[in-house]
Amino acid sequence: NAGVTQTPKFQVLKTGQSMTLQCAQDMNHNSMYWYRQDPGMGLRLIYYSASEGTTDKGEVPNGYNVSRLNKREFSLRLESAAPSQTSVYFCASSGLTVATIAKNIQYFGAGTRLSVL
Amino acid sequence: QKEVEQDPGPLSVPEGAIVSLNCTYSNSAFQYFMWYRQYSRKGPELLMYTYSSGNKEDGRFTAQVDKSSKYISLFIRDSQPSDSATYLCAMNLHSGNTPLVFGKGTRLSVIA
Repeated sequence: NAGVTQTPKFQVLKTGQSMTLQCAQDMNHNSMYWYRQDPGMGLRLIYYSASEGTTDKGEVPNGYNVSRLNKREFSLRLESAAPSQTSVYFCASSGLTVATIAKNIQYFGAGTRLSVL
Repeated sequence: QKEVEQDPGPLSVPEGAIVSLNCTYSNSAFQYFMWYRQYSRKGPELLMYTYSSGNKEDGRFTAQVDKSSKYISLFIRDSQPSDSATYLCAMNLHSGNTPLVFGKGTRLSVIA
């Protein structure tokens, strides 16, 4: 049981390039989330998807787009990367299943370290 | 005022010490409280989960919620170097699939 899997683990981009961060969960969770984590700023929510077919903005959505491809997968796209988007990105999921004790507990992936030069 | 305030530290203690980590919050409607532990270059992982006020113990860890003061604590007894990590508090209103509100995290170092 892999939990939440993020790819890639590391990425270096030049300003203006685009890329998509991938996230997949195998826990049959309904909800998925994208955060960025910067020193001194904690975890900041970018977008989330409460259920398949829905997405909502979080605290810092500007410069990002998301796609809830199916129940398992939730991708984050940077259309034109900027140095301010240098960060560690975490995907998380939540939902009440046999394997989880409460549906508001979030389970995190290992993160993607992104540098924009 | 941020919804959840957490002292970022860093906090450095000797091995065997009792550690107290704290968060305050402003929304009295929060009912579900969690502590996550994040090792360096890893994702956060759930450490403790509590509902409403009271204490919950799990081995060397005790989570305490005081809703009247809007204050939650995590105590670590007999701290070990392996406890060195960043600890994030998190909370929300509902048991449903709504985003958690996180503190910024406290960085803890336990020195052998």
